[in-house]
Amino acid sequence: GPKVLQIPSHQIIDMGQMVTLNCDPVSNHLYFYWYKQILGQQMEFLVNFYNGKVMEKSKLFKDQFSVERPDGSYFTLKIQPTALEDSAVYFCASSPWTGGALEQYFGPGTRLTVL
Amino acid sequence: GEQVEQLPSILRVQEGSSASINCTYENSASNYFPWYKQEPGENPKLIIDIRSNMERKQTQGLIVLLDKKAKRFSLHITDTQPGDSAMYFCAASPMGYKLTFGTGTSLLVDP
Repeated sequence: GPKVLQIPSHQIIDMGQMVTLNCDPVSNHLYFYWYKQILGQQMEFLVNFYNGKVMEKSKLFKDQFSVERPDGSYFTLKIQPTALEDSAVYFCASSPWTGGALEQYFGPGTRLTVL
Repeated sequence: GEQVEQLPSILRVQEGSSASINCTYENSASNYFPWYKQEPGENPKLIIDIRSNMERKQTQGLIVLLDKKAKRFSLHITDTQPGDSAMYFCAASPMGYKLTFGTGTSLLVDP
């Protein structure tokens, strides 16, 4: 099926540092998402993005978070500064536009550890 | 509210039997209900979905049912195999823009 790529697979950083998580969505997809999954729990929606803009964000999407996709390159999630509670697996997802509901395809995730 | 409740949290069945997972949702605007299978350390994979204009959908040993009045939907895995062992997540969404996931069901199929 469609493949979403994420770089890096693991990232360990010190609290207070900045981190950028990169996502390479499926090439013809138009909608992009970030989800956060803490070990043993379900994925939780952070933000969605379309046509260069954030469409909706959850209360988990703190002021320290930002997303962008400059010039059709990677779709990125930046956290600056990081906090201990940001440790989680972050999944990127993308959707095509099918004229109806949007099927979301998930990448392999980036495991972020904040020390 | 936007909660999605999922039960059971743990399900253990014998190979060849069926397994059923049930979810309820709160947001009446939800019209898209996907199911994801997630194996340890892997990304969630879409296995089947149903839209609100349908009550039943079946594909490759999977059946999903949707009861919009009761705000309830379910996944039924027929003839389970050990390879079906994984975490299963239901989700609900208005048009798929934002998925609200259930808390997950850990399915174990004993050979």
